[in-house]
Amino acid sequence: KAGVTQTPRYLIKTRGQQVTLSCSPISGHRSVSWYQQTPGQGLQFLFEYFSETQRNKGNFPGRFSGRQFSNSRSEMNVSTLELGDSALYLCASRPSGRGAQHFGDGTRLSIL
Amino acid sequence: AQTVTQSQPEMSVQEAETVTLSCTYDTSESDYYLFWYKQPPSRQMILVIRQEAYKQQNATENRFSVNFQKAAKSFSLKISDSQLGDAAMYFCARGSEKLVFGKGTKLTVNP
Repeated sequence: KAGVTQTPRYLIKTRGQQVTLSCSPISGHRSVSWYQQTPGQGLQFLFEYFSETQRNKGNFPGRFSGRQFSNSRSEMNVSTLELGDSALYLCASRPSGRGAQHFGDGTRLSIL
Repeated sequence: AQTVTQSQPEMSVQEAETVTLSCTYDTSESDYYLFWYKQPPSRQMILVIRQEAYKQQNATENRFSVNFQKAAKSFSLKISDSQLGDAAMYFCARGSEKLVFGKGTKLTVNP
């Protein structure tokens, strides 16, 4: 079974631009969560989607948004990029019920 | 705030020896999960082991086992017969749909 796939692996943007990251979950997983990982703040929860609905949201500004499609694939969008948005963005999928989250390789976003 | 604390930023162990990584957490929930994830330099977060809080029996996965002390809110990871491939950042996490992570422990395995 294929794992969680995140694209692209690397991304370089400049301040003020916007970016869209993509995540394809493990087949059959309906829950997708997003995390931001930085050296200073560590791993922080962004949001979680289940059946195309946002169920949980972390403490991030409205510039961070996401969505989930009917095939459970998810996208995360960051608008008006700031230098502090430079981070590794990790996506995880989870089966229904009480399963553990399984992570993708992440997208490394660098803001110049 | 419901936090997860890993008090050891770095640990080292000799190959074939045993090492224990510490984790404490704070929660007001009665039913929750605890996890240990491993993140090698390749950066993928890999699930090592999980524990369901309502289960008293400590989880075990091959060379990896946990010591879960619910009353003390402690969840340590023991790695037996350490191998070079065990070198990585280890993160303790609590939650289910929304994981709260500790800051991590960098484990070095010396040959």
